[in-house]
Amino acid sequence: DVKVTQSSRYLVKRTGEKVFLECVQDMDHENMFWYRQDPGLGLRLIYFSYDVKMKEKGDIPEGYSVSREKKERFSLILESASTNQTSMYLCASSLGDEKLFFGSGTQLSVL
Amino acid sequence: DQQVKQNSPSLSVQEGRISILNCDYTNSMFDYFLWYKKYPAEGPTFLISISSIKDKNEDGRFTVFLNKSAKHLSLHIVPSQPGDSAVYFCAANFGNEKLTFGTGTRLTIIP
Repeated sequence: DVKVTQSSRYLVKRTGEKVFLECVQDMDHENMFWYRQDPGLGLRLIYFSYDVKMKEKGDIPEGYSVSREKKERFSLILESASTNQTSMYLCASSLGDEKLFFGSGTQLSVL
Repeated sequence: DQQVKQNSPSLSVQEGRISILNCDYTNSMFDYFLWYKKYPAEGPTFLISISSIKDKNEDGRFTVFLNKSAKHLSLHIVPSQPGDSAVYFCAANFGNEKLTFGTGTRLTIIP
């Protein structure tokens, strides 16, 4: 079974802090994704990556950046956390088709 | 601009009956559609998909119907079981792995 592991289940940060959300997949998948889930808005794509050191903006990239130095790891960075970034963050990977495998999510609260 | 819409935030169905979850989309370029299921404290998991060249796809108790002219798809679950209680997201894409998700429908199966 594919395993996508997100480093933190819950995270509480202060406004202005730099926040790192880590994601690791163990199935040698080419593609990795970061989504956020908010009530009434569903899942929205922040960034995705087709290969190491490659990244592309999703639908809501503002206020975020990403890093993919190794194939198995995809990090989401909040340069200066703000309260409107309080959300559930979901990492996913795929082999190159539409079937995504998701991690369990990180609930981030920015105070 | 919500390109994939699930207009029912919640749905309650008696155990053993049919559950019908609906999804509408606006982008006529979408050519592949998926349903994901999400339990609390877990990431979404892939359930079933359909290509735009088909109008029906069946997998056990789950059937997805696609009406391209109406830009509408639906997920039928028969018979509904308590373990089907979850949030269901429909998703769509065209030609790449970048999925656009709907807002989700919370399904509750009443024993």
